[in-house]
Amino acid sequence: QQQVKQSPQSLIVQKGGISIINCAYENTAFDYFPWYQQFPGKGPALLIAIRPDVSEKKEGRFTISFNKSAKQFSLHIMDSQPGDSATYFCAASSLSGTSGTYKYIFGTGTRLKVLA
Amino acid sequence: GAVVSQHPSWVICKSGTSVKIECRSLDFQATTMFWYRQFPKQSLMLMATSNEGSKATYEQGVEKDKFLINHASLTLSTLTVTSAHPEDSSFYICSARSAGAQETQYFGPGTRLLVL
Repeated sequence: QQQVKQSPQSLIVQKGGISIINCAYENTAFDYFPWYQQFPGKGPALLIAIRPDVSEKKEGRFTISFNKSAKQFSLHIMDSQPGDSATYFCAASSLSGTSGTYKYIFGTGTRLKVLA
Repeated sequence: GAVVSQHPSWVICKSGTSVKIECRSLDFQATTMFWYRQFPKQSLMLMATSNEGSKATYEQGVEKDKFLINHASLTLSTLTVTSAHPEDSSFYICSARSAGAQETQYFGPGTRLLVL
């Protein structure tokens, strides 16, 4: 129940295209869903995050779509660029009752390659 | 803002030695810091959560005597890999959150450990 399933494992998109990465979860207690971008040999960087009280959030070329009833959320990268080539991780979290801390459960990651 | 640094970025050591990795929040006070481990082409696995001034909480399967965590101040946490062995070779990443942004974790650039 603590898993976050992410797909696809890898994705190749032409420059200017739309990249779509999907995540699904089971635990209805999750209430914060961030997306991170990671370049090789670097730490993850926060891209965008959403709470379940909204169905969509957009920041620049990045949009999160959230479907609470289906327990799914997705990242859309519009006008994909070669510089977007990286690994993307979704995560889900909720306030841990024992520690009072938001702990993340990460998806398995999607390796995106944008062709020039 | 929300910059997290790690030192060293790379470390190579002989089997049996101990290695200390530092994680610092540069422009905010980190009430909670997290330590993750990431194997090549895999997701981030949470090792432990540390709150300033208290003992770290370790995830199931993580040896607390092997991975010593100290969070002595609001800007510094350290991870010491004791008596390192080749199987401890990995990418170690810390993250930090501030009191004002309970859900958001900001990640450091990671430390690559190679145990010979």
